[in-house]
This record gives sequence, structure tokens and C-alpha cells, in this order.
Amino acid sequence: QVQLVQSGAEVKKPGASVKVSCKASGYTFTSYAMHWVRQAPGQRLEWMGWINAGNGNTKYSQKFQGRVTITRDTSASTAYMELSSLRSEDTAVYYCARESGLGYYGSGSYGYYYYMDVWGKGTTVTVSS
Amino acid sequence: EIVMTQSPATLSVSPGERATLSCRASQSVSSNLAWYQQKPGQAPRLLIYGASTRATGIPARFSGSGSGTEFTLTISSLQSEDFAVYYCQQYNNWPRFTFGPGTKVDIK
Repeated sequence: QVQLVQSGAEVKKPGASVKVSCKASGYTFTSYAMHWVRQAPGQRLEWMGWINAGNGNTKYSQKFQGRVTITRDTSASTAYMELSSLRSEDTAVYYCARESGLGYYGSGSYGYYYYMDVWGKGTTVTVSS
Repeated sequence: EIVMTQSPATLSVSPGERATLSCRASQSVSSNLAWYQQKPGQAPRLLIYGASTRATGIPARFSGSGSGTEFTLTISSLQSEDFAVYYCQQYNNWPRFTFGPGTKVDIK
């Protein structure tokens, strides 16, 4: 079955970096994009960035630009999210989520629906001195 | 940046009753909106995309409507497993997605 398996919980000190992995199985990894979303305790979901697993193109939230790097290893069907210069506010659960899409024709034009249809279980990252 | 808001923050409903959740975008997102359900300690689950299309396996009691800046998620008859937090998400400026703050549906 289609699933995303994330790496285990991490505890880091302020100023350090963390790299979270997300291994995909049950589908062709390079045919889908992957998003990274985080959720601080009691907070809303927050989009961090995206990678086209086929060609490696990335887009990042302006909030994390310069601190986040998303990569992939197609031979391992795995996506990675690295966040640097960690601070206490980065304590959160980090999720990877597969992006799927559906083309449609309506109102005289073509469009595309995008959605995150498969999610990893999340990786807890705690930043504490 | 498109800002998403949701109301109410918390909705108390009795099992079997109807729940209506609202989502508003700061500018038009056309029908580029999805809804997710999240239970404590779990990852979000896709419910609706394209503002009104149910995802695979989602029960018919969940329905979405709206376009532009105003959207609604309706749960026609709440079941015990529906008590959760619901998030709307826009993807009008794909691949940059934005989530709303969520509406918690709890038992009255």
C-alpha cells in the first residue's frame, strides 16, 4: 500500500540543524511531488516547502527561506527536509505529504486540483538547551 | 500572501446533528481549496479537494461548497469518529499552500 515512513524523533540544541527523512513506498516516487508541513504544539499546520521528486525543483515558504533545504534521493525513494539554525520556536511535528492532482475542464478553461493525499505519521523535533 | 481564516474556532455539536464550518480567503482562490481532518496525535487526512469533491473513501455525510473567498464544510450527521479539528487549505498559488487556523468540533 502507499505509505510514507518518516525518521524518528530528534532532540537538538539551539543553533543546530536537523534532517528528517521520508521514505515512500507503494507508488512511483518520481511521479509525484512532496510537501513538508510542520505543526507546533497547539498550532495550525504550516507549509514549509515542496519538491518535485522527478526533477528536484524546489519551492520554499518565505518564512523558512535560507534555513530549509528539501532534497530527494530517487534511488532510495526518499525525500529529506533539513532545517538549520534551530531555535526553540522550531519545536514541532514535521510531516511529509505526497501531492496528487487532478486535471479538469470547466467554465471554458482547463485547471488542475492539487491536494495532499498521503501523509507520513510525523517526526517530532524538540529544540532545547 | 493569501491569508485563510476559519470560523468558529470551536463548534460544539451533539452526535447526529449537522455541523457547518466556514473558511474565508483574503483574496479569491477560485475553487482551489481543500479540507483536512486531524485527530489528536494523528496526521491530517484529506476530505475534500476542488472545494467540493470528496476524496477517495470519504463518507457522503461530508460535503464542501463555495468558491472565490467563501467556503463551507458540512457534516450532515455527526458520528463519534468525526470529532476532530478541521483545516481548510488553499492552493491557488501552487505549490505554495496555506492552511487556515482550524475549527475544533467537539461533543456538546
